[in-house]
Amino acid sequence: AQSVAQPEDQVNVAEGNPLTVKCTYSVSGNPYLFWYVQYPNRGLQFLLKYITGDNLVKGSYGFEAEFNKSQTSFHLKKPSALVSDSALYFCAVRDVRAGNNRKLIWGLGTSLAVNP
Amino acid sequence: SAVISQKPSRDICQRGTSLTIQCQVDSQVTMMFWYRQQPGQSLTLIATANQGSEATYESGFVIDKFPISRPNLTFSTLTVSNMSPEDSSIYLCSVAPGVGDTEAFFGQGTRLTVV
Repeated sequence: AQSVAQPEDQVNVAEGNPLTVKCTYSVSGNPYLFWYVQYPNRGLQFLLKYITGDNLVKGSYGFEAEFNKSQTSFHLKKPSALVSDSALYFCAVRDVRAGNNRKLIWGLGTSLAVNP
Repeated sequence: SAVISQKPSRDICQRGTSLTIQCQVDSQVTMMFWYRQQPGQSLTLIATANQGSEATYESGFVIDKFPISRPNLTFSTLTVSNMSPEDSSIYLCSVAPGVGDTEAFFGQGTRLTVV
């Protein structure tokens, strides 16, 4: 079955330190990969995506993600965390073999806490 | 990109009643999606709504409980019918405009509490 795993429910990091939020997926073919962020009492905001090309993609708010096909991973990273980065982060995958249904497979989310 | 206006932002409802959530998009989109999310948890897709056709429901969700309308390419409604406390959740509207590699956009959500 297709799935997306975010192995850490919560990640804690000190402000100014680098952060990594992990995502692995089990989807056949060459899926499209996305990261979203959700701040408290807000909707989801798009951060970045990998479709094809360079394995390192850059997105909003200084975030980047590295695609690793052999490990089927798409980890989210930021060189220097801010307290304002504290939020819930979701990894999502779209199986492009499924035609045009645009459905996303979601991870369970990782709560990021950046401590001052 | 797409800007989505979702109403109401929150509501407290009596069990046994129904609530209709509206989703308005600032551009024409083929597909609209309705999700349910428990606070702090992941998203569960309820259904996909295409204009001019019946919505496609995911396993565990039925049209009688969650009827959806999609009268045009910029608007959709989700009704939560005969509500019970188990329906208390956040309901999110989403669109994925453009071609297949386009990211999805989300409304701000409707926080529903059933008492």
